[in-house]
Amino acid sequence: SQTIHQWPATLVQPVGSPLSLECTVEGTSNPNLYWYRQAAGRGLQLLFYSVGIGQISSEVPQNLSASRPQDRQFILSSKKLLLSDSGFYLCAWSVTQGFPRGDSPLHFGNGTRLTVT
Amino acid sequence: GENVEQHPSTLSVQEGDSAVIKCTYSDSASNYFPWYKQELGKRPQLIIDIRSNVGEKKDQRIAVTLNKTAKHFSLHITETQPEDSAVYFCAAGSNSGYALNFGKGTSLLVTP
Repeated sequence: SQTIHQWPATLVQPVGSPLSLECTVEGTSNPNLYWYRQAAGRGLQLLFYSVGIGQISSEVPQNLSASRPQDRQFILSSKKLLLSDSGFYLCAWSVTQGFPRGDSPLHFGNGTRLTVT
Repeated sequence: GENVEQHPSTLSVQEGDSAVIKCTYSDSASNYFPWYKQELGKRPQLIIDIRSNVGEKKDQRIAVTLNKTAKHFSLHITETQPEDSAVYFCAAGSNSGYALNFGKGTSLLVTP
Protein backbone atom coordinates (compact mmCIF):
# COMPACT_ATOMS: atom_id res chain seq x y z
CA SER A 1 0.00 0.00 0.00
CA GLN A 2 1.01 3.59 -0.50
CA THR A 3 2.34 5.73 2.34
CA ILE A 4 3.47 9.31 2.51
CA HIS A 5 6.04 10.58 4.97
CA GLN A 6 6.53 14.20 5.85
CA TRP A 7 9.01 15.75 8.26
CA PRO A 8 9.61 17.42 10.55
CA ALA A 9 6.26 17.42 12.33
CA THR A 10 6.88 20.78 13.97
CA LEU A 11 9.39 23.51 13.36
CA VAL A 12 10.10 26.87 14.95
CA GLN A 13 12.34 29.13 12.92
CA PRO A 14 13.37 32.79 13.24
CA VAL A 15 12.55 35.33 10.57
CA GLY A 16 15.18 35.36 7.85
CA SER A 17 16.31 31.78 8.39
CA PRO A 18 16.17 29.13 5.65
CA LEU A 19 13.62 26.35 5.41
CA SER A 20 13.61 22.82 4.10
CA LEU A 21 10.63 20.50 4.43
CA GLU A 22 10.76 17.04 2.95
CA CYS A 23 8.14 14.62 1.74
CA THR A 24 8.52 11.10 0.39
CA VAL A 25 5.99 8.68 -1.00
CA GLU A 26 6.27 4.90 -0.94
CA GLY A 27 4.38 2.21 -2.77
CA THR A 28 3.65 4.08 -5.98
CA SER A 29 5.59 5.26 -9.00
CA ASN A 30 5.55 8.61 -10.73
CA PRO A 31 2.92 10.18 -8.49
CA ASN A 32 1.67 13.72 -8.81
CA LEU A 33 2.99 15.60 -5.79
CA TYR A 34 1.60 18.73 -4.16
CA TRP A 35 2.46 21.21 -1.43
CA TYR A 36 -0.43 22.92 0.34
CA ARG A 37 -0.40 25.51 3.10
CA GLN A 38 -3.10 25.93 5.68
CA ALA A 39 -3.14 29.14 7.68
CA ALA A 40 -5.12 29.70 10.87
CA GLY A 41 -6.41 26.12 10.81
CA ARG A 42 -8.62 26.62 7.78
CA GLY A 43 -8.42 26.73 4.00
CA LEU A 44 -6.10 24.66 1.82
CA GLN A 45 -3.94 26.83 -0.41
CA LEU A 46 -2.15 25.03 -3.23
CA LEU A 47 1.46 26.20 -3.40
CA PHE A 48 3.21 23.88 -5.85
CA TYR A 49 2.55 20.73 -7.83
CA SER A 50 4.78 18.38 -9.77
CA VAL A 51 4.03 15.76 -12.40
CA GLY A 52 7.58 14.41 -12.62
CA ILE A 53 11.21 14.73 -11.63
CA GLY A 54 12.38 18.30 -12.03
CA GLN A 55 8.93 19.53 -13.09
CA ILE A 56 7.51 22.13 -10.73
CA SER A 57 4.54 24.43 -11.19
CA SER A 58 3.95 27.31 -8.82
CA GLU A 59 0.48 28.49 -7.98
CA VAL A 60 1.25 31.40 -5.70
CA PRO A 61 4.21 33.79 -6.10
CA GLN A 62 6.09 34.00 -2.83
CA ASN A 63 9.46 33.42 -1.26
CA LEU A 64 8.99 29.66 -1.24
CA SER A 65 10.29 27.21 -3.80
CA ALA A 66 9.88 23.50 -4.43
CA SER A 67 12.05 20.81 -5.94
CA ARG A 68 11.62 17.20 -6.94
CA PRO A 69 15.05 15.62 -7.10
CA GLN A 70 13.72 12.06 -7.19
CA ASP A 71 10.50 10.46 -8.37
CA ARG A 72 9.00 10.13 -4.92
CA GLN A 73 10.67 13.02 -3.11
CA PHE A 74 9.29 16.53 -2.89
CA ILE A 75 11.02 19.36 -1.03
CA LEU A 76 9.72 22.77 0.00
CA SER A 77 12.34 25.42 0.62
CA SER A 78 12.87 29.03 1.45
CA LYS A 79 16.04 31.08 1.61
CA LYS A 80 14.62 33.60 4.08
CA LEU A 81 11.47 32.98 6.06
CA LEU A 82 8.88 35.68 6.70
CA LEU A 83 6.44 35.87 9.60
CA SER A 84 3.65 35.28 7.09
CA ASP A 85 5.14 31.89 6.20
CA SER A 86 3.85 30.45 9.46
CA GLY A 87 1.26 27.75 8.94
CA PHE A 88 0.54 24.09 8.53
CA TYR A 89 2.27 22.67 5.44
CA LEU A 90 0.83 19.58 3.86
CA CYS A 91 2.36 17.38 1.22
CA ALA A 92 0.01 15.26 -0.88
CA TRP A 93 0.11 12.79 -3.73
CA SER A 94 -2.30 11.48 -6.31
CA VAL A 95 -2.13 9.02 -9.18
CA THR A 96 -0.80 10.41 -12.40
CA GLN A 97 -1.49 10.12 -16.05
CA GLY A 98 1.59 12.14 -16.87
CA PHE A 99 -0.24 15.35 -16.11
CA PRO A 100 -1.96 16.68 -13.00
CA ARG A 101 -5.57 15.69 -12.66
CA GLY A 102 -8.36 16.99 -10.54
CA ASP A 103 -10.40 13.80 -10.70
CA SER A 104 -8.27 11.61 -8.43
CA PRO A 105 -8.19 11.50 -4.64
CA LEU A 106 -5.48 13.43 -2.88
CA HIS A 107 -3.66 11.64 -0.08
CA PHE A 108 -2.12 13.94 2.49
CA GLY A 109 0.91 13.55 4.70
CA ASN A 110 0.73 14.33 8.41
CA GLY A 111 1.88 17.89 7.87
CA THR A 112 4.51 20.21 9.30
CA ARG A 113 3.48 22.97 11.66
CA LEU A 114 5.84 25.87 11.00
CA THR A 115 6.06 28.81 13.36
CA VAL A 116 8.19 31.72 12.25
CA THR A 117 9.20 33.93 15.18
CA GLY B 1 -10.84 28.40 -13.02
CA GLU B 2 -13.01 26.38 -10.69
CA ASN B 3 -14.55 28.13 -7.72
CA VAL B 4 -15.95 26.04 -4.87
CA GLU B 5 -18.18 27.71 -2.30
CA GLN B 6 -18.91 25.92 0.96
CA HIS B 7 -21.58 26.67 3.57
CA PRO B 8 -21.92 27.03 6.45
CA SER B 9 -18.49 27.96 7.77
CA THR B 10 -19.44 26.73 11.24
CA LEU B 11 -22.12 24.29 12.31
CA SER B 12 -23.10 23.19 15.79
CA VAL B 13 -25.46 20.28 16.33
CA GLN B 14 -26.47 18.11 19.24
CA GLU B 15 -25.40 14.53 19.39
CA GLY B 16 -27.81 12.36 17.48
CA ASP B 17 -28.97 15.13 15.16
CA SER B 18 -28.14 15.31 11.47
CA ALA B 19 -25.64 17.70 9.90
CA VAL B 20 -25.68 18.95 6.33
CA ILE B 21 -22.89 20.82 4.58
CA LYS B 22 -23.42 22.26 1.12
CA CYS B 23 -21.04 23.16 -1.68
CA THR B 24 -21.46 24.75 -5.07
CA TYR B 25 -19.04 24.74 -7.97
CA SER B 26 -18.70 26.78 -11.11
CA ASP B 27 -16.93 24.58 -13.67
CA SER B 28 -19.41 22.41 -15.56
CA ALA B 29 -16.52 20.10 -16.50
CA SER B 30 -16.08 19.03 -12.86
CA ASN B 31 -16.79 15.34 -12.48
CA TYR B 32 -15.23 14.36 -9.17
CA PHE B 33 -16.40 15.55 -5.75
CA PRO B 34 -14.58 14.32 -2.63
CA TRP B 35 -15.11 15.24 0.99
CA TYR B 36 -12.30 15.43 3.52
CA LYS B 37 -12.42 15.42 7.30
CA GLN B 38 -9.67 17.15 9.26
CA GLU B 39 -9.44 16.69 12.99
CA LEU B 40 -7.59 19.30 15.00
CA GLY B 41 -3.89 19.29 14.22
CA LYS B 42 -4.14 16.37 11.83
CA ARG B 43 -4.13 15.86 8.09
CA PRO B 44 -7.25 15.97 5.95
CA GLN B 45 -8.55 12.48 5.26
CA LEU B 46 -10.87 11.41 2.50
CA ILE B 47 -14.18 10.21 3.93
CA ILE B 48 -16.35 9.86 0.85
CA ASP B 49 -16.35 10.85 -2.78
CA ILE B 50 -18.76 10.84 -5.69
CA ARG B 51 -18.39 11.01 -9.43
CA SER B 52 -20.70 12.79 -11.80
CA ASN B 53 -22.36 9.64 -13.10
CA VAL B 54 -23.88 9.03 -9.66
CA GLY B 55 -26.46 11.13 -7.84
CA GLU B 56 -26.01 9.79 -4.35
CA LYS B 57 -23.58 7.66 -2.40
CA LYS B 58 -23.80 6.34 1.15
CA ASP B 59 -21.32 4.91 3.59
CA GLN B 60 -22.88 4.07 6.93
CA ARG B 61 -23.80 7.39 8.58
CA ILE B 62 -22.45 9.63 5.85
CA ALA B 63 -23.88 10.31 2.43
CA VAL B 64 -23.15 12.66 -0.42
CA THR B 65 -25.65 13.92 -2.97
CA LEU B 66 -24.88 15.60 -6.26
CA ASN B 67 -27.06 17.83 -8.42
CA LYS B 68 -25.14 18.43 -11.62
CA THR B 69 -27.78 20.67 -13.12
CA ALA B 70 -27.64 23.04 -10.18
CA LYS B 71 -23.89 22.45 -9.69
CA HIS B 72 -24.13 21.69 -6.03
CA PHE B 73 -23.33 18.74 -3.79
CA SER B 74 -23.90 18.09 -0.14
CA LEU B 75 -22.55 16.01 2.72
CA HIS B 76 -25.07 14.49 5.10
CA ILE B 77 -24.07 13.05 8.45
CA THR B 78 -26.81 11.27 10.39
CA GLU B 79 -26.87 10.33 14.06
CA THR B 80 -23.92 12.61 14.75
CA GLN B 81 -21.44 11.70 17.46
CA PRO B 82 -18.89 13.86 19.30
CA GLU B 83 -16.10 12.21 17.28
CA ASP B 84 -17.65 13.70 14.14
CA SER B 85 -16.44 17.10 15.37
CA ALA B 86 -13.87 18.32 12.85
CA VAL B 87 -13.40 20.61 9.88
CA TYR B 88 -14.92 19.23 6.69
CA PHE B 89 -13.74 20.26 3.24
CA CYS B 90 -15.52 19.71 -0.03
CA ALA B 91 -13.65 19.74 -3.32
CA ALA B 92 -14.33 19.56 -7.01
CA GLY B 93 -12.13 18.54 -9.89
CA SER B 94 -11.99 17.26 -13.42
CA ASN B 95 -9.59 15.37 -15.65
CA SER B 96 -8.79 18.62 -17.40
CA GLY B 97 -7.86 20.40 -14.18
CA TYR B 98 -4.50 20.34 -12.52
CA ALA B 99 -5.65 19.73 -8.97
CA LEU B 100 -8.69 19.53 -6.79
CA ASN B 101 -10.26 22.85 -5.85
CA PHE B 102 -11.24 23.00 -2.20
CA GLY B 103 -13.94 24.87 -0.37
CA LYS B 104 -12.93 26.91 2.66
CA GLY B 105 -14.13 24.33 5.13
CA THR B 106 -16.91 23.87 7.67
CA SER B 107 -16.12 23.55 11.34
CA LEU B 108 -18.59 21.03 12.76
CA LEU B 109 -19.10 20.79 16.50
CA VAL B 110 -21.20 17.97 17.90
CA THR B 111 -22.16 18.59 21.50
CA PRO B 112 -23.11 15.72 23.82
